Amino acid sequence: AQSVTQLGSHVSVSEGALVLLRCNYSSSVPPYLFWYVQYPNQGLQLLLKYTTGATLVKGINGFEAEFKKSETSFHLTKPSAHMSDAAEYFCAVSFPGATNKLIFGTGTLLAVQP
Amino acid sequence: EPEVTQTPSHQVTQMGQEVILRCVPISNHLYFYWYRQILGQKVEFLVSFYNNEISEKSEIFDDQFSVERPDGSNFTLKIRSTKLEDSAMYFCASMRDRGTGANVLTFGAGSRLTVL
Repeated sequence: AQSVTQLGSHVSVSEGALVLLRCNYSSSVPPYLFWYVQYPNQGLQLLLKYTTGATLVKGINGFEAEFKKSETSFHLTKPSAHMSDAAEYFCAVSFPGATNKLIFGTGTLLAVQP
Repeated sequence: EPEVTQTPSHQVTQMGQEVILRCVPISNHLYFYWYRQILGQKVEFLVSFYNNEISEKSEIFDDQFSVERPDGSNFTLKIRSTKLEDSAMYFCASMRDRGTGANVLTFGAGSRLTVL
């Protein structure tokens, strides 16, 4: 069965520190991979996605993620955290098919300390 | 930038009552979805809708749930007789087309349903 696991429901970093949010997936077929961000009282906004090709994907707001097939991972990173990065982050997968539905992880709430 | 709008943002209802959650997808999008997130849990797929019919639904989407696109713009989720466990944030999403790659779902801000 396909699934997504996000390690760490809460992550706290200092402003300016590296952000690393972990995502692993389980799938028998190559997935498409996504990171979404949810700011308070807002919808889910796409940060970045991986489909095929280059395994290092750059997204908005300075975030990037690297697809590592051997580790079935798609961790999200940002070199230097900003206060405005405080939000909940969701990793998700989808698969080629009729509906393109997303399977989400449980989310990681990122806190940024001054 | 085009967006998906959802109403109401928060609804409180009594157990057993019918609830309709409304969504206005992006105007040129063809695929529509409902997801829900129970507090503290993951975002779960409920149903996808294309060409005026359900294309896929999850186990959660039982006979108490229905969707329709009554007027070509709104996309509604109806819960016929709400239960306490229906309390959740419900997200609507739309997608332009399938294409040949992974297409991106655009989500609304959500409707929080509280069942008392």
